[in-house]
Amino acid sequence: AQKVTQTQTSISVMEKTTVTMDCVYETQDSSYFLFWYKQTASGEIVFLIRQDSYKKENATVGHYSLNFQKPKSSIGLIITATQIEDSAVYFCAMREVDTGYQNFYFGKGTSLTVIP
Amino acid sequence: GALVYQYPRRTICKSGTSMRMECQAVGFQATSVAWYRQSPQKTFELIALSTVNSAIKYEQNFTQEKFPISHPNLSFSSMTVLNAYLEDRGLYLCGARDQGGHTEVFFGKGTRLTVV
Repeated sequence: AQKVTQTQTSISVMEKTTVTMDCVYETQDSSYFLFWYKQTASGEIVFLIRQDSYKKENATVGHYSLNFQKPKSSIGLIITATQIEDSAVYFCAMREVDTGYQNFYFGKGTSLTVIP
Repeated sequence: GALVYQYPRRTICKSGTSMRMECQAVGFQATSVAWYRQSPQKTFELIALSTVNSAIKYEQNFTQEKFPISHPNLSFSSMTVLNAYLEDRGLYLCGARDQGGHTEVFFGKGTRLTVV
C-alpha cells in the first residue's frame, strides 16, 4: 500500500500566483516527520521544508509553507509568488520514527510548470 | 553544510554485467543511508536502508544478492547492481541522514544507469 499519496500528477500556474500541492500519508506511528522535496530538471533533489508531527503550527520557509491537517493525514505544500525557477517535480515524503529503521517514503511527485 | 556526492553520475553497462556506485557524505555523519531507484516515470522505489552497526534492511523485490550494499563508516556507502538487465535502468539515489541533528535526508545527484 502506498504510504504517501500525491494525487496531482501535474499542475500549471501563471507566474507570481499561489499554488497548492496535495499530499496525504498513512502511518501507525505516533511520531513522524513530513517533508517536501523538489527535483530539478538536472535530477538534483533539494530539501524544501519539514513538518514535525507533534507541532501544530504550520511550517514556513521563504515562499514555501505547509498546510498540515493531522486529522486528515494531509500535508499540503503552498508556494506563494511562484517564479519560473519553481518549475520542477515536487515530492512529498514521510519518515516514521517509531519503527526501528525509520523508513523514509516518497510520494510519486507532482510536476509543476510555472508559465511566464 | 551537509552534502552528499554520488559517483559516477552516469554509467552504461552491458546486459548481464555489474556496476558499482558510490555515495559520500560531507559535513555530517551518515548514520543511515537509503538507496532508491527512480524509474523513468519518476516513481521512487526504496531498495534498502542501511544503518551503521545494524543489518541492512532490503525492501520487497530487492535482495542483497542482487544489490549488495556496503556501509563501512559514517561517510561512505556503496551499492553494486549485479547482473544488470534492462529493468534495472534508472536513476539511483543515495539519501543520507544522521541520527543526531538532521531529521531530513540529504540526497546526492544520483547515478543514472543505462543498460544496453
